[in-house]
Amino acid sequence: KNEVEQSPQNLTAQEGEFITINCSYSVGISALHWLQQHPGGGIVSLFMLSSGKKKHGRLIATINIQEKHSSLHITASHPRDSAVYICAVRSRGNKLVFGAGTILRVKS
Amino acid sequence: GAGVSQSPSNKVTEKGKDVELRCDPISGHTALYWYRQRLGQGLEFLIYFQGNSAPDKSGLPSDRFSAERTGESVSTLTIQRTQQEDSAVYLCASSQTFAEAFFGQGTRLTVV
Repeated sequence: KNEVEQSPQNLTAQEGEFITINCSYSVGISALHWLQQHPGGGIVSLFMLSSGKKKHGRLIATINIQEKHSSLHITASHPRDSAVYICAVRSRGNKLVFGAGTILRVKS
Repeated sequence: GAGVSQSPSNKVTEKGKDVELRCDPISGHTALYWYRQRLGQGLEFLIYFQGNSAPDKSGLPSDRFSAERTGESVSTLTIQRTQQEDSAVYLCASSQTFAEAFFGQGTRLTVV
């Protein structure tokens, strides 16, 4: 079993839909990151969080430390949100461990 | 610089040749990470540096792979006797300790 599991692996949504991507992890962490990778490979950090909830524009990230679970939500999705979304956890040794990613496609 | 810089951006090499990939992290970032991403696959951890030391080399696929970092700055990833399965995008990221990680654009390595 991977240390970081994401679901779903693939997600297709219609423009305007509310989207949720889930991440579960099995190791002790100091922080969790949500990353976005667009076609062409560039990776952008969306959030880093260690507790509670963060919001940036239409993106919301939550984490439950006790349940070792985080969710990334996208409200009012748009085709430009189409990308791979990656969950990564920072272990106690400062190593980043990645999930396999969720491929999101938003259709207009 | 303003971000993490990697060079070259693209590299095509013949099987059996050695290649050296370079990463210039954001100034002041103590942690530096190397990952690779094969076509259609997820990110694969290779090695990470805290300062100039590499506390975790567990991801290096074989002894053909090595990395070093000097001056708590630039890092080089060297692949000796390249094989076709080494073809991938090699990504570097840097961060301050326990802080947000910033990624370079990657080096696309093609072994022919």
